[in-house]
Formats: sequence, structure tokens, C-alpha cells
Amino acid sequence: AQKVTQAQTEISVVEKEDVTLDCVYETRDTTYYLFWYKQPPSGELVFLIRRNSFDEQNEISGRYSWNFQKSTSSFNFTITASQVVDSAVYFCALIPRGQNFVFGPGTRLSVLP
Amino acid sequence: DAGVIQSPRHEVTEMGQEVTLRCKPISGHNSLFWYRQTMMRGLELLIYFNNNVPIDDSGMPEDRFSAKMPNASFSTLKIQPSEPRDSAVYFCASSFVRGTYEQYFGPGTRLTVT
Repeated sequence: AQKVTQAQTEISVVEKEDVTLDCVYETRDTTYYLFWYKQPPSGELVFLIRRNSFDEQNEISGRYSWNFQKSTSSFNFTITASQVVDSAVYFCALIPRGQNFVFGPGTRLSVLP
Repeated sequence: DAGVIQSPRHEVTEMGQEVTLRCKPISGHNSLFWYRQTMMRGLELLIYFNNNVPIDDSGMPEDRFSAKMPNASFSTLKIQPSEPRDSAVYFCASSFVRGTYEQYFGPGTRLTVT
């Protein structure tokens, strides 16, 4: 079975705090891809990052960083020095090779000024 | 580059009416997906096309829903007749290769059926 769990339904932080969004996935496939999407209040879904199952290197893009650990089936997302514009719902997603997206339920992040 | 284009952005209709949602995928992408998003059920895949051919429509909720992709640059999702429980945001997405690459989503159509 394929499944993505985002245990944090909602998170609130104050601007400039660091925040980590958790993502745990389940799949029996050895080849798969992991993604994060952002859905701001305006409603569109914005692609943030894609990782394949053979690349466990962490990635940093500006204030965003991702920690992929196969041993714990986790793909966590950290925002450093959060800003109000980071307020959004964040979705973690899994694609087992050749199949369709399995989305997590999303984590609503509120960054307060 | 233009992203995925959807129209209309908002649609309000009365129960029983036909609704047609439109999507133009990113040029060069060969896979197209229709999703529905509601608070209760989150993001649900309704149907996807590969090279304009419908591959899996198991997510289409009922026979009232139908989707077509007459060419590589256009797809429609039709609901006939519409019901209040169809109210949701409908997203179209496209990708270069299904099952490997990221999908790029359109802005969505917010449908309200009264």
C-alpha cells in the first residue's frame, strides 16, 4: 500500500522562527519519487521539490531545506527564518515509479507577524 | 513560459445544469490529470490522460462526470447534471512523464452548485 502521512494538521509560528514540516511515507517500491507542494491562500499548487529514492542528499534552496531519510521513510521540510509569505498549506506527495501521485493530507502553516 | 491554463476560474451554477471545465496543459507535456479538492476528501485524482488517451478514470465519481482530450493542447471535464455535492475546486495538471516527473498544476476552477 502507498501512503503519505503528515501528522501535523496545523502549525503556527512567529515570523523569523524556524519550522519543520514532517512527512512519512509508505511504499513497497524500491524506486519512487517524493515531492513537496505549496498551496498559498490564493489556491494554486506550487511545485517545490522532487527527490528520487536513490538520492538521499539533503537539499537547500534559500530558506528552504529538505531532509530525506530512507531508514525512517521520512522527507521533512524545514523553513528557516519563516516569513508571513510562507503561510500556506504544504503537501508532501509520493509517486511510486510508473504510478500516480499519492498526496498527504497537508499541513497548514501560519506565520504570524 | 505559460503554465497550465484553466477556465473558468470560478463557476456558479444551479443544480441540474451542465458544467464544462477547460484546461490547456503545458506545451510538450504528454500527461494530463484532473483532480478535485474538497475539505473533507483532500486532493482526489479523477482521471488522467497519456498522449491524449484516457488511461484511468477510476476516480471519476459517477457517470455524470466525463472528460475528453481531443488534442494535446486541450482537455475538458464535464459534469451533467451537476449537484451541490460537486462543489469543489477542480485542478488540471500536466507533466512530461507520468509517474516520474513533477506535475504542474493550473490555478483551479472553483465550482459552486446551488
